[in-house]
Amino acid sequence: ILNVEQSPQSLHVQEGDSTNFTCSFPSSNFYALHWYRWETAKSPEALFVMTLNGDEKKKGRISATLNTKEGYSYLYIKGSQPEDSATYLCASLSGYALNFGKGTSLLVTP
Amino acid sequence: SQTIHQWPATLVQPVGSPLSLECTVEGTSNPNLYWYRQAAGRGLQLLFYSVGIGQISSEVPQNLSASRPQDRQFILSSKKLLLSDSGFYLCAWSATGSSTDTQYFGPGTRLTVL
Repeated sequence: ILNVEQSPQSLHVQEGDSTNFTCSFPSSNFYALHWYRWETAKSPEALFVMTLNGDEKKKGRISATLNTKEGYSYLYIKGSQPEDSATYLCASLSGYALNFGKGTSLLVTP
Repeated sequence: SQTIHQWPATLVQPVGSPLSLECTVEGTSNPNLYWYRQAAGRGLQLLFYSVGIGQISSEVPQNLSASRPQDRQFILSSKKLLLSDSGFYLCAWSATGSSTDTQYFGPGTRLTVL
């Protein structure tokens, strides 16, 4: 994998559903994996920075896991709420540059 | 606390016109500064980054240039805009270039070149 890839591109779930998305990144020369949430009309907001294989981080109902050997990270949202609607970006660090995926656009409807 | 400002928020410019987008950071010293662009249907792409005054690194060849005349000021410019320069431009800062350093983004500028 040469670029950061995210799937699915978009997701529409009902309030209360749990969901997850995938981020795939180059596993060679890995430094760190960043997750951001980007709400409409706002700036991207940092969620997690992960560096260690097997790392798992949690913030409220959102959690993320990291597999640096195979080059993927999962983001989980438990019991989705309408305020979780946003685009979720992952980025792999290469030197000074954060290489971003295109994001997963999540819509949570009541 | 640190804040990051960008202006203007939106801009509509004709092809061939010049461009100047400004970004300033408050509440921190000697930040790393970044310019990103999101073109339609694409992910965020790093355009330039700066580790200090007058120090600019370009990630991709393009019609744009960047300057850092002061510690907390980062300017994105073009002498002649192209249609392909349209997009959403984000400025960001981080405390250092460490792999675990969070980058904090500004509110962005929506540029439409007609």
